[in-house]
This record gives sequence, structure tokens and C-alpha cells, in this order.
Amino acid sequence: NAGVMQNPRHLVRRRGQEARLRCSPMKGHSHVYWYRQLPEEGLKFMVYLQKENIIDESGMPKERFSAEFPKEGPSILRIQQVVRGDSAAYFCASSAWGGPDQPQHFGDGTRLSIL
Amino acid sequence: QKEVEQNSGPLSVPEGAIASLNCTYSDRVSQSFFWYRQYSGKSPELIMSIYSNGDKEDGRFTAQLNKASQYVSLLIRDSQPSDSATYLCAVWGGRKRSGGYQKVTFGTGTKLQVIP
Repeated sequence: NAGVMQNPRHLVRRRGQEARLRCSPMKGHSHVYWYRQLPEEGLKFMVYLQKENIIDESGMPKERFSAEFPKEGPSILRIQQVVRGDSAAYFCASSAWGGPDQPQHFGDGTRLSIL
Repeated sequence: QKEVEQNSGPLSVPEGAIASLNCTYSDRVSQSFFWYRQYSGKSPELIMSIYSNGDKEDGRFTAQLNKASQYVSLLIRDSQPSDSATYLCAVWGGRKRSGGYQKVTFGTGTKLQVIP
């Protein structure tokens, strides 16, 4: 499967726990983007990363949220001390070496539910 | 002012008709434009990208770009019930003055309903 892979597809956490969402970009893609979407709402940009660098994190809350895209391995979106308001679908997308001027291809998303 | 604006709809068209979806953007130097389709509960799926003024056709889909008027549209010919979805417009504003990349901005989407 050469597409963007996200796991897990569904994640359930209790308030105060940590959530780790993983994203493996398409083969050959070095730009990764994370978005959050609430039901019946649009995509909200969170963070844009290249390998080992955060390019733009203007959409990510400054507390509890962090993201990384290491030299080896998938990109990780980490949410510490989750709260009910973190319940949403989190989508990862990747684009080719040219960056955001190239089309973004989306993974199937991780549905995060906070009990 | 929103950076990328779309009418939320729903836009209802009869089966077989042409559906016209519109998107306006505020950044005059925007360079790359994308249309995505998102079915309920699914991830966005790329339909088309367009980079220069004019029309770009792909099957039943035609993207139209007018940079002077700062709008991009998507036409769907011979609309089918399976086209019923939310259509997202996305715009890339180019490089920053520092040389880095700007992010892509998505509109909130237009919900299309094709009536059999």
C-alpha cells in the first residue's frame, strides 16, 4: 500500500491520559501535515513538518500538543493530558519534495474519543 | 476576513445536471489551487489541482481559475448521486519572503446533494 498510513484508526482515551497518533507518508514524500476535524466542520490546520523540522505550527495549541517527524520512522502527533474537547478526527497528509505546491494526499484519519 | 471562502450549501442539483462550486481567496499571490472531495466520515480525496489561469478538464470535472478575480471553481458535468459529498477548496500562497513554505489553507467546504 503506497498511500498515507495512519494508525490507529480509532483511539479511545480517558481524560488525563496521553494520545499518540502516527502517520507514515507516501513513499517519496517528505512533507507532512496534520489537521483536525470536528463533525460537520472543516479541516483545521495544525502543523506542517519536514524531516526533523517543524515548518509551521501556528495551528497547534501551545500546551499539551506536540508533533515530530524524525529522520527515521513515522510522524507522531502527541496529545498530553487529553480533555473531552480533544475528541475529533485527526488527519495526516503528505506531499512530494516540492512542498505545499504539490497536492496533498490524505490518510484515513484517526478518530480520537475521550471518555 | 476568511482566507479561503466557500458557500457551505447544501447545493442541490438534479441528476445529470451541471454542479458549479465556487471558491474565493484573499491572498493575491496564491499560486496553487486544489479541489478535494470528502464523503461523510471519510478522508479528503484529491480531485484536481490547477496552477494557471483558465480551464483544466479531467473527465466530468473542470476546474476554472481566474487569478485577477481571485476565484477558482469546479464544474461537475452529468452529476451523479455518487457525487454527493462535501467539496473542499485549498489554496497555497507561495513561499514566504524568508524563503520558507507557507501552509495550504482549506475552505470549510460546500456540501453537494445530487437528487436522483
